[in-house]
Amino acid sequence: DVKVTQSSRYLVKRTGEKVFLECVQDMDHENMFWYRQDPGLGLRLIYFSYDVKMKEKGDIPEGYSVSREKKERFSLILESASTNQTSMYLCASSSTEPYEQYFGPGTRLTVT
Amino acid sequence: RKEVEQDPGPFNVPEGATVAFNCTYSNSASQSFFWYRQDCRKEPKLLMSVYSSGNEDGRFTAQLNRASQYISLLIRDSKLSDSATYLCVVNRGGYQKVTFGTGTKLQVIP
Repeated sequence: DVKVTQSSRYLVKRTGEKVFLECVQDMDHENMFWYRQDPGLGLRLIYFSYDVKMKEKGDIPEGYSVSREKKERFSLILESASTNQTSMYLCASSSTEPYEQYFGPGTRLTVT
Repeated sequence: RKEVEQDPGPFNVPEGATVAFNCTYSNSASQSFFWYRQDCRKEPKLLMSVYSSGNEDGRFTAQLNRASQYISLLIRDSKLSDSATYLCVVNRGGYQKVTFGTGTKLQVIP
């Protein structure tokens, strides 16, 4: 059974703080993803990684960066948190084929 | 036109009813398709892949119509536990070309 874990379920941060969200998968998947989900907008891809130290921008990368130093771990960094980054953040992983994605439980981030 | 479109619903159906959702996609080069289920305030979970020949898993049947560019999900004998949002997912080829629909909300009523 695929397991994807995220470091926090709920997080409250202040504007301007640097925020780290961590994701770990135990299925040796090559691909990992960070999404945010907002009401009415669905899932939007922030960044993805297809190998260690490799990363590519998704649809909304502004204000975010990522790090993948080990295959099983993919971190999302908010360099300077802003209130419009209040959202549900979901991490996912997938193998190379057939690209079925498996999600972590999500982190609900509130920036005040 | 959105890449993947779903009727947001909600679909309110009585227990035991049959309900069907459609999802249209705009890119004819799309290669693989999935249905995910998302419960309130939880993560999306893979429900089933959608194959060209159609596939069935218990009360759930998924179909693909390439000519009209849509996929469908049919749920028979609805249960209260089927209440959730159903997300359509389309892959245009490769790990980075996945698009999620915004989901269709289903509420099964006793």
